[in-house]
Amino acid sequence: KAGVTQTPRYLIKTRGQQVTLSCSPISGHRSVSWYQQTPGQGLQFLFEYFSETQRNKGNFPGRFSGRQFSNSRSEMNVSTLELGDSALYLCASSSGTSGGANEQFFGPGTRLTVL
Amino acid sequence: GESVGLHLPTLSVQEGDNSIINCAYSNSASDYFIWYKQESGKGPQFIIDIRSNMDKRQGQRVTVLLNKTVKHLSLQIAATQPGDSAVYFCAEKRSNYGQNFVFGPGTRLSVLP
Repeated sequence: KAGVTQTPRYLIKTRGQQVTLSCSPISGHRSVSWYQQTPGQGLQFLFEYFSETQRNKGNFPGRFSGRQFSNSRSEMNVSTLELGDSALYLCASSSGTSGGANEQFFGPGTRLTVL
Repeated sequence: GESVGLHLPTLSVQEGDNSIINCAYSNSASDYFIWYKQESGKGPQFIIDIRSNMDKRQGQRVTVLLNKTVKHLSLQIAATQPGDSAVYFCAEKRSNYGQNFVFGPGTRLSVLP
């Protein structure tokens, strides 16, 4: 079974631009979560989507948004990029059965650099 | 690759010895925990999980212990190998609904030949 895939793997943008990252979960998984990883803050939860609906949300500003499609693929968007948005953005997939605690598997991440 | 925290706690062990990595969690209501391993340039890799109704769970060469009284989690790796060198994170599930995990700061494990 193929793992979680993320595209692109690397991205360079300038301040003020916007960016869209993509994640394809493991086949059959309906939950997709997004995390930001930086050396200073570690791994921080952005949001989770399940069946095309945002189910959980972390403490990030509204510039960070996401969506999920009917095939469970997810995208996250960051608008008006700031230097501090430079990070590794990780996507994690799980079966996401309603209310349950499930094993969560990560993709390789997208490395975003904001200049 | 990703440098996960320039000032992470580091644990150095001799190849073949056992490793114990500790993690303190903050929310007594957390009911599910996962240990992840992250190698440079890769995403975190699932190692083992444990639910709050258990205090111990064993996998292949790994054991997770959960002490809810003091909100402490540990990962034991038996016969540590060079390939075990990585950063290890514990994660606690905070949400009562869905997947919302809070990660610890991580510990860098260095295996000495």
